[in-house]
Amino acid sequence: GQQLNQSPQSMFIQEGEDVSMNCTSSSIFNTWLWYKQEPGEGPVLLIALYKAGELTSNGRLTAQFGITRKDSFLNISASIPSDVGIYFCAGRGTSYDKVIFGPGTSLSVIP
Amino acid sequence: DAGVTQSPTHLIKTRGQQVTLRCSPISGHKSVSWYQQVLGQGPQFIFQYYEKEERGRGNFPDRFSARQFPNYSSELNVNALLLGDSALYLCASSSKTSVGKDGYTFGSGTRLTVV
Repeated sequence: GQQLNQSPQSMFIQEGEDVSMNCTSSSIFNTWLWYKQEPGEGPVLLIALYKAGELTSNGRLTAQFGITRKDSFLNISASIPSDVGIYFCAGRGTSYDKVIFGPGTSLSVIP
Repeated sequence: DAGVTQSPTHLIKTRGQQVTLRCSPISGHKSVSWYQQVLGQGPQFIFQYYEKEERGRGNFPDRFSARQFPNYSSELNVNALLLGDSALYLCASSSKTSVGKDGYTFGSGTRLTVV
């Protein structure tokens, strides 16, 4: 079945550093989503991507939809302590497909 | 505007019991999906409902069932609870079956503990 892989599994960075994480799949997706989840909360949508090659920003966050449609990456510039959390990628094949999630990348920011 | 609301927020049940979790989508959203998130893992898809019809089902046993009401709210039922059903149950809503520009919005979840 469809499965997503995320790397790295966890990251420890200094405040102010840039962060890069990615998500790969063996299947093609038509939609890529990036979410952030903090303890005790549901995932919060950060960026949605709908077209291969699309590059979209949301403040200090930038995500790209890979041209092969089998991968996506998320960059965070100038990290701050409130960036701490687990970042999930999620993908959807067709309009009627379920949205499936990767295992997450845990981000820790050292002040 | 209210987001996706889920109730209860926390629940403790005994093995073998039954549980019903509730979800109210964002106003105007007609699609509701349910996910199970075990500690340390990503959310796993259980069901999707749109316009009161089941549109998708994940790899979960028949002990899991759901329904959507005319006001688009939804219930997830789990029978014969097992210890392994302990998880955060998340509900997500969207305006259509596809993921529109308004995204795919999650509630804060129901934390179910089975003892």
